[in-house]
Amino acid sequence: AQSVTQPDIHITVSEGASLELRCNYSYGATPYLFWYVQSPGQGLQLLLKYFSGDTLVQGIKGFEAEFKRSQSSFNLRKPSVHWSDAAEYFCAVGVYNNDMRFGAGTRLTVKP
Amino acid sequence: DGGITQSPKYLFRKEGQNVTLSCEQNLNHDAMYWYRQDPGQGLRLIYYSQIVNDFQKGDIAEGYSVSREKKESFPLTVTSAQKNPTAFYLCASMAQSAHSNQPQHFGDGTRLSIL
Repeated sequence: AQSVTQPDIHITVSEGASLELRCNYSYGATPYLFWYVQSPGQGLQLLLKYFSGDTLVQGIKGFEAEFKRSQSSFNLRKPSVHWSDAAEYFCAVGVYNNDMRFGAGTRLTVKP
Repeated sequence: DGGITQSPKYLFRKEGQNVTLSCEQNLNHDAMYWYRQDPGQGLRLIYYSQIVNDFQKGDIAEGYSVSREKKESFPLTVTSAQKNPTAFYLCASMAQSAHSNQPQHFGDGTRLSIL
């Protein structure tokens, strides 16, 4: 069955440090992968998406993600975290019939 | 600006009462979705609709009902049969795609609590 796993429930990083959020997927066909961000009490905002082609994709707010088929991973990265990046991050895979499966989310805390 | 509007932002339900959450989109999207979000559980799909007058159950449809009479509207009713309705509810829409490669667009959510 299609699924998305985000191994880290909560991550804390210092402001200015680099960030990597992990995402692993299970899907038999070509995956369409997405990262979303959610601020408290808000909806989800799309950060970036991968369909095909270049395995390193750039998104908004300085985020990027790398698709690695051999590892079934789509990790999100940012070179230098800002306090405003504190939020919950969701990885998702688009599956057949226009459905989408979400990971459980990773909550990011940014220390001053 | 195109987007998805959910209302109200906060809603309170009494025991035995049905309540309806509104979701309206002006993105001209065919597909619409309702998710329930509980702490630490991510998003769980309640119902979805890919065309007017048609909808399908998601993973946790029991105690919920929907209608899709207009393309832009997809209201969710939380019935008295839903024994644990306290949660954050998110509505989303998506342009149809033959390859399921379109992102979903989300509203700002409705927080439902029990009085």
